[in-house]
Amino acid sequence: DAGVIQSPRHEVTEMGQEVTLRCKPISGHDYLFWYRQTMMRGLELLIYFNNNVPIDDSGMPEDRFSAKMPNASFSTLKIQPSEPRDSAVYFCASSFFVRDSTLQETQYFGPGTRLLVL
Amino acid sequence: AQKITQTQPGMFVQEKEAVTLDCTYDTSDQSYGLFWYKQPSSGEMIFLIYQGSYDEQNATEGRYSLNFQKARKSANLVISASQLGDSAMYFCAMRANNFNKFYFGSGTKLNVKP
Repeated sequence: DAGVIQSPRHEVTEMGQEVTLRCKPISGHDYLFWYRQTMMRGLELLIYFNNNVPIDDSGMPEDRFSAKMPNASFSTLKIQPSEPRDSAVYFCASSFFVRDSTLQETQYFGPGTRLLVL
Repeated sequence: AQKITQTQPGMFVQEKEAVTLDCTYDTSDQSYGLFWYKQPSSGEMIFLIYQGSYDEQNATEGRYSLNFQKARKSANLVISASQLGDSAMYFCAMRANNFNKFYFGSGTKLNVKP
């Protein structure tokens, strides 16, 4: 399996521009997560989906952030307009439900997108 | 509320020695899972090991083992025979409550000295 795929790997943009981050989860996984990592705040969960439906978006910082999952193999995280404080590494992760409820649903992470907003 | 605490911001270990990275957690749930991830300087998050709250034996994966002490609510990662490639950030995480949300600690930066 190719693992979780994210694009672009690096993005440099100017304040006010729209940024779209893309994620392809591992085939067969039914959960998808978007995280943001900064030195100051560590790893923060932004939003997660189950079977393409958003379950918890309480971590989305502002209305400037939006996420979609139009199908099981693709998700986007959009920032519009972007601001310098959005500079971070954005990770996508996926997992699948384990029926025996041992909570062994390991999340597998993509390589991340390093975003720099100037 | 669920919480993960890693009290060691940084640690040094000599190559070929064993090292323990601390992790304590707080949850009122009876069923939960504990995970460790490695983040090398290249940035990716690599899953290392999992321990379920009902597992009676400590989890092991190659040179990694998890010292699970349920009463103390600790889930320390033990790396045996450290290698230079083990130098990285290590994150402890917990999943509780039958939701798929993970709670991450702040991480421990491990440096392996030759």
